[in-house]
Amino acid sequence: EVQLVESGGGLVQPGRSLRLSCATSGFTFDDYAMHWVRQGPGKGLEWVSGISWNSQSIGYADSVKGRFTISRDNAKNSLNLRMNSLRTEDTALYYCVKDRAIRRWLARGAFDYWGQGTLVTVSS
Amino acid sequence: DIQMTQSPSSLSASVGDRVTITCRASQSINNYLNWYQLKSGTAPKLLLYAASSLQSGVPSRFSGSGSGTDFTLTISSLQPEDFATYYCQQSYSTPIIFGQGTRLQIK
Repeated sequence: EVQLVESGGGLVQPGRSLRLSCATSGFTFDDYAMHWVRQGPGKGLEWVSGISWNSQSIGYADSVKGRFTISRDNAKNSLNLRMNSLRTEDTALYYCVKDRAIRRWLARGAFDYWGQGTLVTVSS
Repeated sequence: DIQMTQSPSSLSASVGDRVTITCRASQSINNYLNWYQLKSGTAPKLLLYAASSLQSGVPSRFSGSGSGTDFTLTISSLQPEDFATYYCQQSYSTPIIFGQGTRLQIK
């Protein structure tokens, strides 16, 4: 059974940093691209960032480019998101997401498994 | 960046109704269009990928069509569990973009 378990969310002041992690199991982690998707309060889904199976291809939404850094540890089957210079508009539920296409670059796939999300609240 | 325009933003329907949601891309995305269902308190669920391929375990009353810039999601006969919010998503290129969502409510 595929499992994605996010951690690291919480309340943080504007301008501060936070690191999200996602522990995975139930599939061959290093075969798949992984992504972070968020949903702000009362808002729709927003793709935040993605990383290919071998970390050679990485992408970010314009809204987080230069502030967030995605990484993965294939030996530990884990995905991370380092979030710097946080803003109130970054407040959201952050989902760790698995791509369905094996050994595909960032695009041309679909998101077949989602974690339950970790809540990030940016407020003074 | 590719923009996705989804319509309608909300829709009221009854159990048994046939419902169609549309999604338009600002440029051709071939068939790299996916559909998701989101219910309050649960993680999003992939319904269809590559415009018309049904994800494993998804009921056959869900179907998708389209290519290029115009796509549709159809639910042939609404069931009580289908009342939710639906999102299209282009995965042709990064940044990957979701539509703004369609909230499907009970009439």
